[in-house]
Amino acid sequence: DTEVTQTPKHLVMGMTNKKSLKCEQHMGHRAMYWYKQKAKKPPELMFVYSYEKLSINESVPSRFSPECPNSSLLNLHLHALQPEDSALYLCASSYTSGRGETQYFGPGTRLLVL
Amino acid sequence: GQNIDQPTEMTATEGAIVQINCTYQTSGFNGLFWYQQHAGEAPTFLSYNVLDGLEEKGRFSSFLSRSKGYSYLLLKELQMKDSASYLCAVRDSNYQLIWGAGTKLIIKP
Repeated sequence: DTEVTQTPKHLVMGMTNKKSLKCEQHMGHRAMYWYKQKAKKPPELMFVYSYEKLSINESVPSRFSPECPNSSLLNLHLHALQPEDSALYLCASSYTSGRGETQYFGPGTRLLVL
Repeated sequence: GQNIDQPTEMTATEGAIVQINCTYQTSGFNGLFWYQQHAGEAPTFLSYNVLDGLEEKGRFSSFLSRSKGYSYLLLKELQMKDSASYLCAVRDSNYQLIWGAGTKLIIKP
C-alpha cells in the first residue's frame, strides 16, 4: 500500500463553521505533513508531525488546529476560517531509508470558504 | 535569504528531450526533491538527490551538484502526458522544505 488518502475531496464551508480534514497512510511512515497550496503556487508547509508529535508549526493561525491521533492518522481541524483560506490542502508522509528520503502526497482536499 | 530558482515555463516537442534547471541558495542542504504536478492534482514524487551525480529512473533523470547549488531534471522521449508543472524543493539545515515556484512544461505534438 503506497498511498496517502484524504477526505473529503471537496469541502465548502461558511466562516462560522467547524470542519475537519482527514489524512491516512498505512505505509508505516513516521513523518506526516500538512501543506496549503494556492493556484499556480508551490505548496506551503503548515505543520509537521514526527513520531506523532508536532515538530514544526509554520506560524499558522490558530483557526487551523492539527491533530495526530496515531501513527496512521492526521487531522486538520478548521474553525472560523476566512475566504482567503480557500486552497488545496495537501497531506504528505515520508520515510528515510538507505536510498534516501521518499515523500508521498495525498490527493488533497479542495476547500472553499464562503 | 533562502531562494530556489527555476524557469517559469518551457515548451518541448513530443518525443524530444527537455532539461529543467533548478538553482538554490539555502541555509544548509539535506537533499533536493523533484515533483510533478498536473493541474488540479497533488504533487507526485519523482526523485530525491542528496549526493552529487545523476539518478536515473526510466525516462526521468535528476542531477545534483552541491558545490554549484544546481540540479536539473531530464525528461526523455517526451509524451503528451508529461505536460505538467515540475517543482524543485530543497531541504535545508532545519529539515524544512523550501519550494521553487515550479516550471510549467508544455509538450507540443
